[in-house]
Amino acid sequence: AQTIHQWPVAEIKAVGSPLSLGCTIKGKSSPNLYWYWQATGGTLQQLFYSITVGQVESVVQLNLSASRPKDDQFILSTEKLLLSHSGFYLCAWSSRNQDTQYFGPGTRLLVL
Amino acid sequence: QQQVRQSPQSLTVWEGETAILNCSYENSAFDYFPWYQQFPGEGPALLIAIRSVSDKKEDGRFTIFFNKREKKLSLHITDSQPGDSATYFCAARNEKITFGAGTKLTIKP
Repeated sequence: AQTIHQWPVAEIKAVGSPLSLGCTIKGKSSPNLYWYWQATGGTLQQLFYSITVGQVESVVQLNLSASRPKDDQFILSTEKLLLSHSGFYLCAWSSRNQDTQYFGPGTRLLVL
Repeated sequence: QQQVRQSPQSLTVWEGETAILNCSYENSAFDYFPWYQQFPGEGPALLIAIRSVSDKKEDGRFTIFFNKREKKLSLHITDSQPGDSATYFCAARNEKITFGAGTKLTIKP
């Protein structure tokens, strides 16, 4: 069975500080990977997706970047956090040529 | 712009009743419609999904009714339980997936 792990579980960071969030998929080779952002009580906004190692496509510009250093790992980062970056960050995966996305447990970020 | 709209924004029903959550979309190219269930502090979990070639999909107490001509679908939850209290997201996919704003469902015991 596939498992998806996100770290950290939660972060409190200062405006202007750097950020790195991670996501790991186990039990699935060559998955499509996604990053989403969700405001409290809000909808899911896709930020990035990746279909292979080293290749990442940006969906929206939020002063964030993403990388896929390994087949099973997806990283979300920024050098300078903004207040507007606060929210719930979700990683998801899907199989190639499959429609269904499966979400991780999420990382709660609060920027002060 | 691709949009998926959900209504109502929030819904409260009594335990044992049927909850009906509505969803509509604009893009005729959407061909796959998953519904996700999200509890506070957790990631969304796939609940049930339907493809545009079908007009109904049933899984236990959860049923999707799909009207392609009107570009509308609805999720029916029969015999609602307090454990069904969650936010439900309708989504639609063609090249990428688009989520609605969600319906917060509360089941009163």
